[in-house]
Amino acid sequence: QSALTQPASVSGSPGQSITISCTGTSSDVGGYNYVSWYQQHPGKVPKLMIYDVSKRPSGVSNRFSGSKSGNTASLTISGLQAEDEADYYCSSYTSSSTWVFGGGTKLTVL
Amino acid sequence: QVQLQESGPGLVKPSQTLSLTCIVSGGSISSGSYFWTWIRQPSGKGLEWIGRIYTTGNTNYNPSLKSRVTISVDTSKNQFSLKLSSVTAADTAVYYCARQVLGSSCYDYWGQGTLVTVSS
Repeated sequence: QSALTQPASVSGSPGQSITISCTGTSSDVGGYNYVSWYQQHPGKVPKLMIYDVSKRPSGVSNRFSGSKSGNTASLTISGLQAEDEADYYCSSYTSSSTWVFGGGTKLTVL
Repeated sequence: QVQLQESGPGLVKPSQTLSLTCIVSGGSISSGSYFWTWIRQPSGKGLEWIGRIYTTGNTNYNPSLKSRVTISVDTSKNQFSLKLSSVTAADTAVYYCARQVLGSSCYDYWGQGTLVTVSS
């Protein structure tokens, strides 16, 4: 299975909105509503931010939202804050009953 | 509060077998509502899904690792384990155990991760 495709880096200024894309195939992202997003600060454990494409776990800010169109899922962060600077990973269920991650995106808050 | 804790050797010699255990506390591994998963991350690189096990013992493995991976569960000890055989330097990584909610892409609880280095 191939890793999902994410941009290596994105950046934005405080208060702005950014979107991180996650592109797969009809055998993973496009075939199931089982996409999740994780935030990882350096040296820390990944934290679940979005699951099942657009659901937010309890305690996660509503500035984080998820969506999907075709084979591409997206994570949008609105009202960007300095603490949002981190690596972000998407993950999807696959037709082989396995899971695959994206390569990760480094978010820089300017 | 559910907690997961990885344990095992931090150093493994090339060609040997890496063995890790994840101890689950604050909840029963036999509850039937979760898959129990291993994920790894080489230093400075992305996350890689290794495989998962259900309380019945049913497993799914990453095709790229399938020939070398075995995940097992011990419900009496409330823990599950990972064995990765014939390791090389490429298997050096932080290994995480995590809980996946059945019927969802929600990986809600993760262990702190344990660094395993493959070196002679």
